Amino acid sequence: KNEVEQSPQNLTAQEGEFITINCSYSVGISALHWLQQHPGGGIVSLFMLSSGKKKHGRLIATINIQEKHSSLHITASHPRDSAVYICAVRTETSGSRLTFGEGTQLTVNP
Amino acid sequence: NAGVTQTPKFQVLKTGQSMTLQCAQDMNHEYMSWYRQDPGMGLRLIHYSVGAGITDQGEVPNGYNVSRSTTEDFPLRLLSAAPSQTSVYFCASSYSGGANYGYTFGSGTRLTVV
Repeated sequence: KNEVEQSPQNLTAQEGEFITINCSYSVGISALHWLQQHPGGGIVSLFMLSSGKKKHGRLIATINIQEKHSSLHITASHPRDSAVYICAVRTETSGSRLTFGEGTQLTVNP
Repeated sequence: NAGVTQTPKFQVLKTGQSMTLQCAQDMNHEYMSWYRQDPGMGLRLIHYSVGAGITDQGEVPNGYNVSRSTTEDFPLRLLSAAPSQTSVYFCASSYSGGANYGYTFGSGTRLTVV
């Protein structure tokens, strides 16, 4: 079993819908990262969380340390949000190394 | 612009050839790392470094070498390319020493070994 599990693997939405991507992990962590990768593109860091909730524009990320779970929400989704969203954790024992989920492929149709 | 620069962006190699993927950062980050990304799998760590002169293996180090002679540069060497090394490679860097630092990724190198 992977230490970091994401769901769903694939998600198709209509423009304007509210989207949730989930990340569960099985180890103690010092931080959790949400990353975005556009088709054929590089990887961009969206959020880094160690507790609570963060918001940037239409994106909201939450984390529940006790439940070992994080969610990434996109409000009023737009076709330009189509990308792979990757959850990654920095564990308590891994120093600066990250462990990645497999990613969620999001497609937002106009 | 500050960031992580990876070169080349695309490369085709023949089996058995060697090459070096370059990674450079200008943010004075101590931590640098190389990942490969394959369909259906998450990013997997190949090698990493926590500072100049210090390197260590990740999950999938076989067939790859690294060195870190300066803080800025962290090249990845393929010793004798194999088709199994066809992948997209990413370099990333961060400050060390604490969890409150984000990571900066390079734009990736798409490598095909034929």
